[in-house]
Amino acid sequence: KAGVTQTPRYLIKTRGQQVTLSCSPISGHRSVSWYQQTPGQGLQFLFEYFSETQRNKGNFPGRFSGRQFSNSRSEMNVSTLELGDSALYLCASTQSGSSPYEQYFGPGTRLTVT
Amino acid sequence: AQSVTQLDSQVPVFEEAPVELRCNYSSSVSVYLFWYVQYPNQGLQLLLKYLSGSTLVESINGFEAEFNKSQTSFHLRKPSVHISDTAEYFCAVSDRDAAGNKLTFGGGTRVLVKP
Repeated sequence: KAGVTQTPRYLIKTRGQQVTLSCSPISGHRSVSWYQQTPGQGLQFLFEYFSETQRNKGNFPGRFSGRQFSNSRSEMNVSTLELGDSALYLCASTQSGSSPYEQYFGPGTRLTVT
Repeated sequence: AQSVTQLDSQVPVFEEAPVELRCNYSSSVSVYLFWYVQYPNQGLQLLLKYLSGSTLVESINGFEAEFNKSQTSFHLRKPSVHISDTAEYFCAVSDRDAAGNKLTFGGGTRVLVKP
């Protein structure tokens, strides 16, 4: 079974631009969560989508948004990029009905904002 | 609200020596507990988890962790480390009673195994 895939793996953007990151969960997994990893703040939860609905949300500004499609693939969008948005963005998928909270992580998208 | 504290940001250790990574959490609700490992340029991999039952949990590669409710701790140990254990380790909690999957992570402990 293929693991969680994230595209692109690396991205360089300029302040003020917007960016869209993509996450394809493991086949059969219906929940996708997103996390931001930075040296200063560590790993922080952004949001979770389940069956195309946002189920949980972290403490990030409205510039961070996401969505999930009917095939469980998820995208996150960051508008009006700031230097502080430079980070590794990780997504994780979970199979409903499995051992609770068994999250499988992708390799991440490294975003650099200049 | 929950918080997780990993008391050591870096732990250097010699190969075949034991290692302990400390994790304490604070939560107003009952939690599940996890340890994840991150190798360079990779995502996180689940190492082990405590859901219920025996307070001592083990992984397939020799790590173990013990849940101590009174001390709100979930320390990770390995009796003999290998070079390949060089990685960053994250302790995490999630709310038992909340719907969905939201992990709160500690700051991470970087383990460097020296030959």
